Amino acid sequence: SQTIHQWPATLVQPVGSPLSLECTVEGTSNPNLYWYRQAAGRGLQLLFYSVGIGQISSEVPQNLSASRPQDRQFILSSKKLLLSDSGFYLCAWRDHLGTGNTEAFFGQGTRLTVV
Amino acid sequence: GNSVTQMEGPVTLSEEAFLTINCTYTATGYPSLFWYVQYPGEGLQLLLKATKADDKGSNKGFEATYRKETTSFHLEKGSVQVSDSAVYFCALRGNFNKFYFGSGTKLNVKP
Repeated sequence: SQTIHQWPATLVQPVGSPLSLECTVEGTSNPNLYWYRQAAGRGLQLLFYSVGIGQISSEVPQNLSASRPQDRQFILSSKKLLLSDSGFYLCAWRDHLGTGNTEAFFGQGTRLTVV
Repeated sequence: GNSVTQMEGPVTLSEEAFLTINCTYTATGYPSLFWYVQYPGEGLQLLLKATKADDKGSNKGFEATYRKETTSFHLEKGSVQVSDSAVYFCALRGNFNKFYFGSGTKLNVKP
């Protein structure tokens, strides 16, 4: 069966420090991968989307970047964190186009607090 | 473009009350529709889905019907339990397999 791992679960970082959040998927090949952010009391905002290695679509201009160095690995990064980067970050995957389930499957999330 | 609008919360109900959470969408074509549930401190779990017009998704006593004519996918449950307390998100899968979510509705069920 497929599983998604996201870490760390919680993170407290000072303003101006770098960020690296990692997400890996097991049990599937060539998944669509997503990074979402959920700010306090708000809904989910799609940040990045990837259909394959090295292919990243940025949805919202911001202080963050994403990379997909391997088929089932998706990394969210920042060179210098801002206070406004605080939030709950969720990674998700879906079967690639034309196969399998229609829904997205989510990781457990990373709670990032920038202080 | 694609967007999802759902009723603002929080919604507070007594146990065994009837639940409705409204959701409407804007999309190109006929997207798949979903309800996800988020328990405190956790990621999102799929609750139910519908992939075409007039489909009814159901799970754990929750139901939602894909209404193309009203572009709606309202979530209902006949008798809520305290354990249903969570945040509920309506979502659609749009172009290029991107998922768009509503702002979430927090449900509080009191014993």
